Amino acid sequence: EVQLVESGGGLVQPGGSLRLSCAASGFTFSNYWMNWVRQAPGKGLEWVANIKQDGSKKYYVDSVKGRFTISRDNAKNSLYLQMNSLRAEDTAVYYCAKGGDGYNPWGQGTLVTVSS
Amino acid sequence: SYELTQPPSVSVSPGQTARITCSGDALPKKFAFWYQQRSGQAPVLVIYKDSERPSGIPERFSGSSSGTTVTLTISGVQAEDEADYYCQSADSSGTYWVFGGGTKLTVL
Repeated sequence: EVQLVESGGGLVQPGGSLRLSCAASGFTFSNYWMNWVRQAPGKGLEWVANIKQDGSKKYYVDSVKGRFTISRDNAKNSLYLQMNSLRAEDTAVYYCAKGGDGYNPWGQGTLVTVSS
Repeated sequence: SYELTQPPSVSVSPGQTARITCSGDALPKKFAFWYQQRSGQAPVLVIYKDSERPSGIPERFSGSSSGTTVTLTISGVQAEDEADYYCQSADSSGTYWVFGGGTKLTVL
């Protein structure tokens, strides 16, 4: 069974940092683009970033460029999102999702709250 | 920045057909994907590449494309189909991905 499990969320002050992780299992992780998507409370989905199979290409939504860094460790079947200079508007549930023909499946999400 | 436009809400009675549209300038050149998100749950892919259905998704879910608009059709709507539905596609460069604002499907 393909499974994605996010971790690392929590409460952080504005300007702080947080590193999210996504543990993948049930598929050959190194064969797929991987993605981060977020959802602010009561709002819609927002694509955040994605990374190519070998990590050679990374893309970000404009609002996180220069603050967030996506990375992966294919040996550990893991995806990461390093979030720096966090703002209140970054408060959201962050999902990782396996790429391919659509984002399928998604993890259960991890909540990041940016507040003083 | 690129945008996909969906109606905020659609309401249908059980057994009827629900149609949810999504409009975007690059849709004639880029595939669209559809996700169902039930309350409190993670999204689930229901349609990929405009009209393909992943394994495990009921046949009542279908997708179509015409010009700058793609449509998710749910035939014979059931109570369990009540959820938020999001379209997704890439911009014309294929580099950046976007989601539509979402459509809340209410089963009356």
